Amino acid sequence: QKEVEQNSGPLSVPEGAIASLNCTYSDRGSQSFFWYRQYSGKSPELIMSIYSNGDKEDGRFTAQLNKASQYVSLLIRDSQPSDSATYLCAVKWAGNQFYFGTGTSLTVIP
Amino acid sequence: ETGVTQSPTHLIKTRGQQVTLRCSSQSGHNTVSWYQQALGQGPQFIFQYYREEENGRGNFPPRFSGLQFPNYSSELNVNALELDDSALYLCASSLTDGNTIYFGEGSWLTVV
Repeated sequence: QKEVEQNSGPLSVPEGAIASLNCTYSDRGSQSFFWYRQYSGKSPELIMSIYSNGDKEDGRFTAQLNKASQYVSLLIRDSQPSDSATYLCAVKWAGNQFYFGTGTSLTVIP
Repeated sequence: ETGVTQSPTHLIKTRGQQVTLRCSSQSGHNTVSWYQQALGQGPQFIFQYYREEENGRGNFPPRFSGLQFPNYSSELNVNALELDDSALYLCASSLTDGNTIYFGEGSWLTVV
């Protein structure tokens, strides 16, 4: 059974702080990992992908992957009110299907 | 802007009716997937099409069917609509490797 789990939140952080979002997955055979951001009423948009253990940075976003512990995280530095959204973790195993978590709702307080 | 366009954006149907949702893929993307996202949930994989053939299917009944056309555009058809089919339907396109998917804006379906 392939499962992706996220804390649904809501997670609230003050503007300028670091937001930390976590995700665990059930199957060690997973190969590709993704973070999507979804604003209310909109479709998910890709923020980052990560395939290897370690950190991957893109601007204010850092994705971290630990395959041995089966978790992937997303750090948002210098959080802005525009970062307020639901963040979806997605895992792709061999094959065509992406498995999504239920998302973590983030609110950045000005 | 992902270059993936979907239509219609919103629609209301009655239980038992049939619906067709349409999607145009991003230029150069020959693989299209459809996902269903219920309120408060993450997207769930319905199926994927590559070269006009179904290339993987999630845990959805046969009344969910699809098509892909030579220009890589796609349709999702749902027959015998049920109230639980009310959701956001997302089309996602990707290159052949399918390793990164880009979503369209989605079609909001309400079944009453």
